[in-house]
Amino acid sequence: DQQVKQNSPSLSVQEGRISILNCDYTNSMFDYFLWYKKYPAEGPTFLISISSIKDKNEDGRFTVFLNKSAKHLSLHIVPSQPGDSAVYFCAASRAAGNQFYFGTGTSLTVIP
Amino acid sequence: GAGVSQSPRYKVAKRGQDVALRCDPISGHVSLFWYQQALGQGPEFLTYFQNEAQLDKSGLPSDRFFAERPEGSVSTLKIQRTQQEDSAVYLCASILSNSPNEQFFGPGTRLTVL
Repeated sequence: DQQVKQNSPSLSVQEGRISILNCDYTNSMFDYFLWYKKYPAEGPTFLISISSIKDKNEDGRFTVFLNKSAKHLSLHIVPSQPGDSAVYFCAASRAAGNQFYFGTGTSLTVIP
Repeated sequence: GAGVSQSPRYKVAKRGQDVALRCDPISGHVSLFWYQQALGQGPEFLTYFQNEAQLDKSGLPSDRFFAERPEGSVSTLKIQRTQQEDSAVYLCASILSNSPNEQFFGPGTRLTVL
């Protein structure tokens, strides 16, 4: 029973263009959402988060958008750089510090 | 080091063997999580500690899985009588109490059960 879904297993983008990674969730009780970036043979690294009281959070080149009515969030990377090539996971939780549910990941390749 | 460390990084076990996986969280981090990540999947929650108290173990797949954190710092995940389906990367993460949703992950232990 996958409560957080990332339906695109992979994405290729030209350097300098925008990367958009999507995530859908089914549990309306989720109130905190995070994006993690993972390189091979390393653990996931926290990227950016958003709480359910907001619909947008921006940090440098990274922006996360939350559409609660559609139970959908997206991560925008502008401009994309080759170093952004990694697997991106979205995650959700129902309460601060509580159990986290992860999607299956999207592998982003930024082509120089 | 400043990050979460896990040992061993790689473990090969014969079916039926017991294994113990260690996690050293970032010093001062109150909460500690264990996840199981199968190939091509996202991390799946196993269990959660706040200091030495195991507050949620609902994700442990069977009674062969046991986790402890006796002094509220280092944690050990033990798997008894390993089976092939236990093959996965086991990730540990810790959280600083005042940043409750930013988990810091270790590099993981890749367990292969033959």
